[in-house]
Amino acid sequence: DAKTTQPPSMDCAEGRAANLPCNHSTISGNEYVYWYRQIHSQGPQYIIHGLKNNETNEMASLIITEDRKSSTLILPHATLRDTAVYYCIVRVVTRRGGADGLTFGKGTHLIIQP
Amino acid sequence: GAVVSQHPSRVICKSGTSVKIECRSLDFQATTMFWYRQFPKKSLMLMATSNEGSKATYEQGVEKDKFLINHASLTLSTLTVTSAHPEDSSFYICSARDSYSNYGYTFGSGTRLTVV
Repeated sequence: DAKTTQPPSMDCAEGRAANLPCNHSTISGNEYVYWYRQIHSQGPQYIIHGLKNNETNEMASLIITEDRKSSTLILPHATLRDTAVYYCIVRVVTRRGGADGLTFGKGTHLIIQP
Repeated sequence: GAVVSQHPSRVICKSGTSVKIECRSLDFQATTMFWYRQFPKKSLMLMATSNEGSKATYEQGVEKDKFLINHASLTLSTLTVTSAHPEDSSFYICSARDSYSNYGYTFGSGTRLTVV
């Protein structure tokens, strides 16, 4: 899996948009960008993923640059409950089973300030 | 969406005893499940891949005789920490992927193991 680089920590005011960057300059053409988050003492939670088009779901938006070397996760209206460590992971997705576990980097500790 | 149930959420055991952690996929079948370990303020580290009906594959540096994995059915994998010692105290997390879902991997809620 390609390596990702994320800032170790970020602050964001409650109610504002939180923009979390991720660099993945060695990403391959068949690798997806996945975002997970881990709230303290819980298992990671899936947020969103994409290949090259921007994606949006009920939790967040994912903006992937045209060259796919970086992406940004956007939480449009951050709340205190969004305080967590956010992990950006790139990997190949296979239809069958997913033979490999995920490789987690250090992630970004996002702190939402009241 | 896919749900993975992990039990127990918290366990305290004495040194030298064994502890079993269960991981169940509730609404999908998982031929492959994964076990991670996380030390305080550290990221998740993959320990092993659990394969239904066959032996687990372990990451480098993980003792297979100490961390016994059984994946006897398509919805259940167990991790047994044998002869536990205080240095085995950690947060253990399992995950599975629904082959027919596009949502990637689903994680259990984790098990906090404390060995005293």
